[in-house]
Amino acid sequence: DTGVSQDPRHKITKRGQNVTFRCDPISEHNRLYWYRQTLGQGPEFLTYFQNEAQLEKSRLLSDRFSAERPKGSFSTLEIQRTEQGDSAMYLCASSFQSGQVETQYFGPGTRLLVL
Amino acid sequence: GDSVTQMEGPVTLSEEAFLTINCTYTATGYPSLFWYVQYPGEGLQLLLKATKADDKGSNKGFEATYRKETTSFHLEKGSVQVSDSAVYFCALRGSARQLTFGSGTQLTVLP
Repeated sequence: DTGVSQDPRHKITKRGQNVTFRCDPISEHNRLYWYRQTLGQGPEFLTYFQNEAQLEKSRLLSDRFSAERPKGSFSTLEIQRTEQGDSAMYLCASSFQSGQVETQYFGPGTRLLVL
Repeated sequence: GDSVTQMEGPVTLSEEAFLTINCTYTATGYPSLFWYVQYPGEGLQLLLKATKADDKGSNKGFEATYRKETTSFHLEKGSVQVSDSAVYFCALRGSARQLTFGSGTQLTVLP
């Protein structure tokens, strides 16, 4: 069990470019979450998957944001036509529900800077 | 909707001092409550959790008790160490699957 991994760890891009981030969850975790964290704030929920189904996406910040989990394993988060306000840390978490308790385990995050 | 209010930081303590970080919440139903910790340059790590009223979560000398009557989940440690310096986040999981976080409390422990 190597934990949740995210790639890249850092991304610098110019405004208007598209970026894609990858998350590899803990193996056998069926749920995968994306959060965004801005400086001095707690993580803010964006979307989540159960297996390959995206069950909640109303919190995605705009239609420029999209996420996929094509085979129920890794996931990608894409931001199109980036804006300076998209600069933040993007966090991925995974979980496996056992009984009543579901614990989310977080990856190290991808820090995005839009110039 | 669900929300979490955390004691604002930063908090600076001397080594071996007593720590309390206040956390209160608003949620419908019976949420699960969590404390996560973020060390410098690292990702969020689960510190402790409690799933029902009067449960006490504990780990690494930290404790928090789920108080439904006061809708609180305050984090405490009897004697902090320099290595406890980090940002602490209180979070809840309500009827929705996702976590709702507080804004975090920066703790600095001085030797």
